[in-house]
Amino acid sequence: DAEITQSPRHKITETGRQVTLACHQTWNHNNMFWYRQDLGHGLRLIHYSYGVQDTNKGEVSDGYSVSRSNTEDLPLTLESAASSQTSVYFCASSPGIRRAEQFFGPGTRLTVL
Amino acid sequence: GESVGLHLPTLSVQEGDNSIINCAYSNSASDYFIWYKQESGKGPQFIIDIRSNMDKRQGQRVTVLLNKTVKHLSLQIAATQPGDSAVYFCADQIGNQFYFGTGTSLTVIP
Repeated sequence: DAEITQSPRHKITETGRQVTLACHQTWNHNNMFWYRQDLGHGLRLIHYSYGVQDTNKGEVSDGYSVSRSNTEDLPLTLESAASSQTSVYFCASSPGIRRAEQFFGPGTRLTVL
Repeated sequence: GESVGLHLPTLSVQEGDNSIINCAYSNSASDYFIWYKQESGKGPQFIIDIRSNMDKRQGQRVTVLLNKTVKHLSLQIAATQPGDSAVYFCADQIGNQFYFGTGTSLTVIP
């Protein structure tokens, strides 16, 4: 069955370290998204991609970067982790058509000490 | 920024009763809405969607109502079950992006 996976599921790191969170989908969806989820906030968009080699900044992109070298993967990199980036991160994908739901991965809980 | 919000952060209902979860949105350009369910430790899961040219859509035990005049969206769950306990949030689509509300935590009392 097609799915979307994230790894690792849990990560503890130290301030200043570079961290990469993986996202892999097997639906062959064009669109992929990264969100963070914090108490008191809805899901907030970090970066998104509408296809290979396409990346765009979302609402809270500072300190994060993504790359899209193939359809299946959109890794999220924290260049220099900060305590404010402690959060739960969700990856999502959707087909490249309007009015289509997003499918979410199981999430990665990241703690920056 | 966000264009959706939810009216109540928590809701408790008796098992077997109907649940109504509300959501308001602010942008009249929103043309597609989704309700998601999120269980503890899991990613959001699609429940039901509705396009702006509709005012009601029904699924299995769930109904979504859209009132564009007052920019209000509601999710009705019939005969609520313990497995329905979760956080529910709405999302609206403007252009190619989705905006998510903060969620209502539904607790079903046996």
